[in-house]
Amino acid sequence: GAGVSQSPRYKVTKRGQDVALRCDPISGHVSLYWYRQALGQGPEFLTYFNYEAQQDKSGLPNDRFSAERPEGSISTLTIQRTEQRDSAMYRCASSLGAGASTDTQYFGPGTRLTVL
Amino acid sequence: AQSVTQLDSHVSVSEGTPVLLRCNYSSSYSPSLFWYVQHPNKGLQLLLKYTSAATLVKGINGFEAEFKKSETSFHLTKPSAHMSDAAEYFCVVTRTSGTYKYIFGTGTRLKVLA
Repeated sequence: GAGVSQSPRYKVTKRGQDVALRCDPISGHVSLYWYRQALGQGPEFLTYFNYEAQQDKSGLPNDRFSAERPEGSISTLTIQRTEQRDSAMYRCASSLGAGASTDTQYFGPGTRLTVL
Repeated sequence: AQSVTQLDSHVSVSEGTPVLLRCNYSSSYSPSLFWYVQHPNKGLQLLLKYTSAATLVKGINGFEAEFKKSETSFHLTKPSAHMSDAAEYFCVVTRTSGTYKYIFGTGTRLKVLA
């Protein structure tokens, strides 16, 4: 079956603009995660959804970042008033279960965001 | 707190020779450990995972890893490298129970020479 998909794959924007990044998880997966990966680093956790409920947003760096998953499937990560330091690869993952640590997280290809 | 250290940022091996990618972890709790691989323009793919069962874990594509609690290590090995193994590899730690947050290492880029 289809894996996790993300769109757009590449996004270039100007400082101060808002961007919306989309994640389409594997069908039937309960949990959805967002990570951010800076160049030369491993991904870092941003937020986690169990169905439509945002269970943990402790990794969101500030209030310019928000995420939603209104129908428990597709999720959108929105960054308002982008800054150059927001440039990174944004990765989405989903897992079948309700966020147990032993669940395998399946990752999408990522969205490369560049803020000029 | 948990953390993971990948000891080599780059590893080069010749095709047909063994691969060793090193990972050390720190965890106040019983850890779950994973290795993921990332090929260019692809998502992260799970190679194998340890979740407190057998300490020697076999994964896909001939990779395996051994959990050594005394050494706090979870090194990834493969007896014979193939050109298609060239990629970036990430070691991941999390708690065995109670959390879903993956803590990633900084990655090891594997180069396979013909």
